[in-house]
Amino acid sequence: AQSVTQLDSHVSVSEGTPVLLRCNYSSSYSPSLFWYVQHPNKGLQLLLKYTSAATLVKGINGFEAEFKKSETSFHLTKPSAHMSDAAEYFCVVITMFSGGYNKLIFGAGTRLAVHP
Amino acid sequence: DVKVTQSSRYLVKRTGEKVFLECVQDMDHENMFWYRQDPGLGLRLIYFSYDVKMKEKGDIPEGYSVSREKKERFSLILESASTNQTSMYLCASSFSLAGLSYEQYFGPGTRLTVT
Repeated sequence: AQSVTQLDSHVSVSEGTPVLLRCNYSSSYSPSLFWYVQHPNKGLQLLLKYTSAATLVKGINGFEAEFKKSETSFHLTKPSAHMSDAAEYFCVVITMFSGGYNKLIFGAGTRLAVHP
Repeated sequence: DVKVTQSSRYLVKRTGEKVFLECVQDMDHENMFWYRQDPGLGLRLIYFSYDVKMKEKGDIPEGYSVSREKKERFSLILESASTNQTSMYLCASSFSLAGLSYEQYFGPGTRLTVT
């Protein structure tokens, strides 16, 4: 069965420093992986997605993630944090649903705090 | 831009009441989803619909039902609300091709409190 584990429930960084949000996945086949972001009182927004093309995926707002099959990881990074990056981030894997449809499996989330 | 709207941002109901949460999408997506979001648990799928009048149970369907009479509208029904259904409810929609879903677009959520 497919699953994702977000290794940190909370991450705190200073503005202008790098961001690293860690995600490990478990999948019996080549997975499709996403990162979503949720700002306070807002719905989820897709940051980026990996679907077996390039292993380094660039997303919106300067975020990127690298798919590493050998480490079963899909960590999210950003070189320089901005105050507006403070939000909750979800790592997501697609799995097969009944009837052959896909469904999303969400990690528990990582809350990112950015300090001045 | 894809737009998914939910009928209420905040809702307070009493135990035992019947509750309707409405979701509308404007992109002609085939698939629609209802999730609940609880701290430390991420999002959990309640129900899924891949076509009008079609529905599939998700991971936590107990205590909920759904209705999809029109392609753009997907309703979540709590037949008799209970306090353990206090949560944030998120609706999503996605395009589908040959049964494969693509990324989901989410509404802003409804924070439901059952007292």
